[in-house]
Amino acid sequence: GAVVSQHPSRVICKSGTSVKIECRSLDFQATTMFWYRQFPKKSLMLMATSNEGSKATYEQGVEKDKFLINHASLTLSTLTVTSAHPEDSSFYICSARDLTSGAYEQYFGPGTRLTVT
Amino acid sequence: KQEVTQIPAALSVPEGENLVLNCSFTDSAIYNLQWFRQDPGKGLTSLLLIQSSQREQTSGRLNASLDKSSGRSTLYIAASQPGDSATYLCAVREFSGGYNKLIFGAGTRLAVHP
Repeated sequence: GAVVSQHPSRVICKSGTSVKIECRSLDFQATTMFWYRQFPKKSLMLMATSNEGSKATYEQGVEKDKFLINHASLTLSTLTVTSAHPEDSSFYICSARDLTSGAYEQYFGPGTRLTVT
Repeated sequence: KQEVTQIPAALSVPEGENLVLNCSFTDSAIYNLQWFRQDPGKGLTSLLLIQSSQREQTSGRLNASLDKSSGRSTLYIAASQPGDSATYLCAVREFSGGYNKLIFGAGTRLAVHP
């Protein structure tokens, strides 16, 4: 089956620094990748949708200048949390849609645990 | 605005029981519905995907049904096992603002004890 990887799996950073999270589709091409945020025992909240080669579309309430998304190729999207603060601590999950799939099925990465101290 | 609700929020059952997880959504204009499994601190594993034109899908001990007009889906797990312990998430796909996206419920945390 389709595999999506994320790196790093865990990151701890100091308040005020920036953190980059990578999302890769390993065995398929993904024109569209999605970034989600999940709080403990809560559902996944869509942050933004990124299309290869174009600007990401952010959900209402998500600061695009704080959560920078780049989707430079059909297999890689990055999320950069700029000037991170403790309230940005969360579990970030990316997802990718297979270009060839007609069922709009999404494949999810294993997530990245961000802790801002 | 689409809202997805999952009941119950948590469930604890002895091994071997058959169980039903419920999912409801407020807007029936969906493209498909997907059930996922999430283990603690991990990503999501897709279990079943039901297209809007379908009524059910089966995979092994899992059966998912969809009643689009009433905005409901159920996930049936037969002969539950301790390894089934996880959080089960329901998500509907809808078209909004020119693109499609998944809207998730909060999940049902399942614990199957030996």
